[in-house]
Amino acid sequence: GDSVTQMEGPVTLSEEAFLTINCTYTATGYPSLFWYVQYPGEGLQLLLKATKADDKGSNKGFEATYRKETTSFHLEKGSVQVSDSAVYFCASTMKTSYDKVIFGPGTSLSVIP
Amino acid sequence: DTAVSQTPKYLVTQMGNDKSIKCEQNLGHDTMYWYKQDSKKFLKIMFSYNNKELIINETVPNRFSPKSPDKAHLNLHINSLELGDSAVYFCASSQRRFGGSTDTQYFGPGTRLTVL
Repeated sequence: GDSVTQMEGPVTLSEEAFLTINCTYTATGYPSLFWYVQYPGEGLQLLLKATKADDKGSNKGFEATYRKETTSFHLEKGSVQVSDSAVYFCASTMKTSYDKVIFGPGTSLSVIP
Repeated sequence: DTAVSQTPKYLVTQMGNDKSIKCEQNLGHDTMYWYKQDSKKFLKIMFSYNNKELIINETVPNRFSPKSPDKAHLNLHINSLELGDSAVYFCASSQRRFGGSTDTQYFGPGTRLTVL
């Protein structure tokens, strides 16, 4: 079945370091792609999304580009802050059931001062 | 103005008991979900309702029974609780777009269930 793969971490970075979290998906066609973030003790919230090939989603300094040719949606940020410490989930809609969203396993990020 | 709310936030109970978790959304969305998040943060969908109709029913023990009295509410009842049911349960809602595609999901704060 369809799946989403992402680096599981944990990832530990120093403040102001560059962040990349890789994400690849298997759904065929043109699924919508999402990055969600979960801060400690909270529910998930949308960070950014892209709904068609070559779209770039961006929010709070984070960016991800929908790459159809490599079936990827890697998350990047040029300079992380301590407040970015959270778990990041990549997700895609499924081609056979657009009401179902498949989540990756999550990547835990810790940013140290 | 909480968009998606769940009660209770914490639930500690003994094995064999029956418990319910309630969810309400005030976003006007037509689709609601229940997810289970395990201790490793892995998120697994359990159920989804669209306009009070069950549309997703994953491989979940039939001790779990969702109920949607209206499109703003989705409750989860669990019978005969087991140790393995301990997890964080998240409710979420979204709006189905034209053509059936689902949009951004909005999550509640979660209910941490501990079965002793």
